[in-house]
Amino acid sequence: GAVVSQHPSRVICKSGTSVKIECRSLDFQATTMFWYRQFPKQSLMLMATSNEGSKATYEQGVEKDKFLINHASLTLSTLTVTSAHPEDSSFYICSARIPSTYEQYFGPGTRLTVT
Amino acid sequence: AQTVTQSQPEMSVQEAETVTLSCTYDTSESNYYLFWYKQPPSRQMILVIRQEAYKQQNATENRFSVNFQKAAKSFSLKISDSQLGDTAMYFCSYSGAGSYQLTFGKGTKLSVIP
Repeated sequence: GAVVSQHPSRVICKSGTSVKIECRSLDFQATTMFWYRQFPKQSLMLMATSNEGSKATYEQGVEKDKFLINHASLTLSTLTVTSAHPEDSSFYICSARIPSTYEQYFGPGTRLTVT
Repeated sequence: AQTVTQSQPEMSVQEAETVTLSCTYDTSESNYYLFWYKQPPSRQMILVIRQEAYKQQNATENRFSVNFQKAAKSFSLKISDSQLGDTAMYFCSYSGAGSYQLTFGKGTKLSVIP
């Protein structure tokens, strides 16, 4: 089956610093990747759609200058949370779409804690 | 905008029994895709089953099957012979043809009781 990795699985950073989360499709090339945020006991909220070689498309209400997304290759997308604040603490999940299908496979998620 | 509704926040089932999780959706599109994802305590999202709207036959994957009623915009998941490992949050999701984005329901927390 399709495998998506995410790194790191957990990260703690101080307020005001930036943190980068990597999402990799290990056994397929993904032209489209997605970034979600999940609050405790809630559903997934789509933050942005990342297309290889082009700018990400952000959902309404998501600050694109705070959540920088780069999809530089067909197997790697990164999410950088800039000038992180405690309210950015959350569980971030990426997914990658299998080309020519509507199926998405998810990474294991990253728990971000901002102190 | 498309919406996905899961009306059962929590459910429980005895091990080896059968349980059905409900999902309804609202869309004006004629072609779309529906999915059930499972999120166990590890929080890894796992694709359980998929259904293409243009297919009348209900999808089946081992112990998991769906009841897809296009006119009623209903997409329920049946789990047969429930196992302890089925304990998880289950999310129903929708993807419109061409958008590739998933819209998720709020989820149903399923507990399998030994």
